[in-house]
Amino acid sequence: GEDVEQSLFLSVREGDSSVINCTYTDSSSTYLYWYKQEPGAGLQLLTYIFSNMDMKQDQRLTVLLNKKDKHLSLRIADTQTGDSAIYFCADNNAGNMLTFGGGTRLMVKP
Amino acid sequence: EAGVTQSPTHLIKTRGQQATLRCSPISGHTSVYWYQQALGLGLQFLLWYDEGEERNRGNFPPRFSGRQFPNYSSELNVNALELEDSALYLCASTTGSTDTQYFGPGTRLTVL
Repeated sequence: GEDVEQSLFLSVREGDSSVINCTYTDSSSTYLYWYKQEPGAGLQLLTYIFSNMDMKQDQRLTVLLNKKDKHLSLRIADTQTGDSAIYFCADNNAGNMLTFGGGTRLMVKP
Repeated sequence: EAGVTQSPTHLIKTRGQQATLRCSPISGHTSVYWYQQALGLGLQFLLWYDEGEERNRGNFPPRFSGRQFPNYSSELNVNALELEDSALYLCASTTGSTDTQYFGPGTRLTVL
């Protein structure tokens, strides 16, 4: 079945850029998503990219998609302490269900 | 515009009992998805309802069931609760014409 992988942890200093990486196996994915989860909360949709795009920018967020390598990344510019959370990448596949990575915990140090 | 709402926020049950979790989608959304987020297991797809019908089901036993009402709200029922059912249960909705799923705050189920 589909597999989505993420690194577990990332620590950055406030003001630096953060890059969270994700790899997936299903080449039939139409959209790929990034969600943010703060402690005790649900998932907040951050951004998504259509599978025929290479890049999408949305304010401080930049998503890069390398379809050949099945690699997705999320860059957060000027990372703030409020960005500390768990970030999940996800893709959709047959049946419209989302397959999630295990999440990357981002810690932003002042 | 109101987002996806879920109730209750927290639910405490004992082994063998039944739990009922509720979800109201964003106005205009017709599809509802349920996911389980258990410690150490990540986010796993449970069920998908669209226009009142179950469209897809994840790898969960039959004691996990649900339904979707004519107003598109949904219930998730978990029968014969086991300790490992303790998790955050998340509901998401879409319009049906787009794949983007918007999530509610979740219901935290604790089984003692």
